[in-house]
Amino acid sequence: QVHLVESGGGVVQPGRSLRLSCAASGFNFSTYAMDWVRQAPGKGLEWVAVISYDGNYKYYAESVKGRFTISRDNSKNTLYLQMNSLGVEDTAVYYCVSDKVWFGELIQWGQGTLVTVPS
Amino acid sequence: QLVLTQSPSASASLGASVRFNCTLSSGHSSYAIAWHQQRPGKGPRFLMKVNSDGSHTKGDGIPNRFSGSSSGSERYLTISGLQSEDEADYYCQTWGTAIVIFGGGTNLTVL
Repeated sequence: QVHLVESGGGVVQPGRSLRLSCAASGFNFSTYAMDWVRQAPGKGLEWVAVISYDGNYKYYAESVKGRFTISRDNSKNTLYLQMNSLGVEDTAVYYCVSDKVWFGELIQWGQGTLVTVPS
Repeated sequence: QLVLTQSPSASASLGASVRFNCTLSSGHSSYAIAWHQQRPGKGPRFLMKVNSDGSHTKGDGIPNRFSGSSSGSERYLTISGLQSEDEADYYCQTWGTAIVIFGGGTNLTVL
């Protein structure tokens, strides 16, 4: 059974950094592209970033470009999101998600981890 | 610009059927989309992919009463035999060159 378990969320002051992790199990992690998707309180889903199965290709939403970095360690079946220069607008639940194919439907979701940047 | 438009809310009675629509922006009528369900307080769950020809591929364990279809720039999700557990937000999702897009979501109330 596929499991994606995010961790690393919490309360962080504006301008500071935070790194999220996502531990994957139950599937061949190293062959799937992976994404981060976030959801601000009471709002809809917003795509954040995607990384190819081998880590060689990465794309970001304009709202986080230059501040966030997606990475992965296939030897540890783990996905990461390094978030720098955090602002109030980054407050959200962050979900780790796997792709069916490179830029395709998102097929497996984690339970999410909450990041709060207080004003 | 690639945009997905959804109605913000819908309601239907227990046992009835409901159809959600997701509209692709002009020039993108050939795009496939995916439907996701998010129950209150939970993470989203992939329901199905719907192609422009109306064919659809469901995720593991998705009941038969969930189905997808297409017409032009519209992509649909139909739920028949509504159950209380179907009360949730429903999001459509698509993808383009170096981007993934979500619709604003439709909140379903089961009466």
